[in-house]
Amino acid sequence: KNEVEQSPQNLTAQEGEFITINCSYSVGISALHWLQQHPGGGIVSLFMLSSGKKKHGRLIATINIQEKHSSLHITASHPRDSAVYICAVGYGGSQGNLIFGKGTKLSVKP
Amino acid sequence: NAGVTQTPKFQVLKTGQSMTLQCAQDMNHEYMSWYRQDPGMGLRLIHYSVGAGITDQGEVPNGYNVSRSTTEDFPLRLLSAAPSQTSVYFCASSYGGGGYEQYFGPGTRLTVT
Repeated sequence: KNEVEQSPQNLTAQEGEFITINCSYSVGISALHWLQQHPGGGIVSLFMLSSGKKKHGRLIATINIQEKHSSLHITASHPRDSAVYICAVGYGGSQGNLIFGKGTKLSVKP
Repeated sequence: NAGVTQTPKFQVLKTGQSMTLQCAQDMNHEYMSWYRQDPGMGLRLIHYSVGAGITDQGEVPNGYNVSRSTTEDFPLRLLSAAPSQTSVYFCASSYGGGGYEQYFGPGTRLTVT
């Protein structure tokens, strides 16, 4: 069974700090997704990647297929980055389903 | 484009009542899915559809029914609500399954008393 583990579960940072959230999975995947959920809000896709690295603004996502590991980095964190960050992996080919991690709750203090 | 829409946003049901959560998308996506989100757990797949007329069960399908008569709509029916179905429900769509970017609806917060 494919499992998705995220760490840490909770993270508190000061504004401006560099943040890293980790995600590990157990079997082969078609893609890895990083999602963002603000308190009481919907879920937004940040990145989808199957190799290498992607960057969008202050957010960077990397994946190491051999080690079955991905990281989400936030540079120069800001209180508006406070949210739950969710890692999800697609399995069973590109038409398969997703398995989700439990999320990392990030709080950035001013 | 409205993206993925869900109605209602909030709902309170009594045990044993039935209801339908509505989900619609205007992106011509073939793949649609329903998830529930409970505290301390990752999103779990209830049912999914790979196209009009095709549905299949996910991880936690008991107590729920779905149908997909059109590409745009994917309603989720609770047959006889139970307190264990208290949760936040998300509908999502994409061009394919997990190998494609996912688009989520705003969610429905359901309480069963």
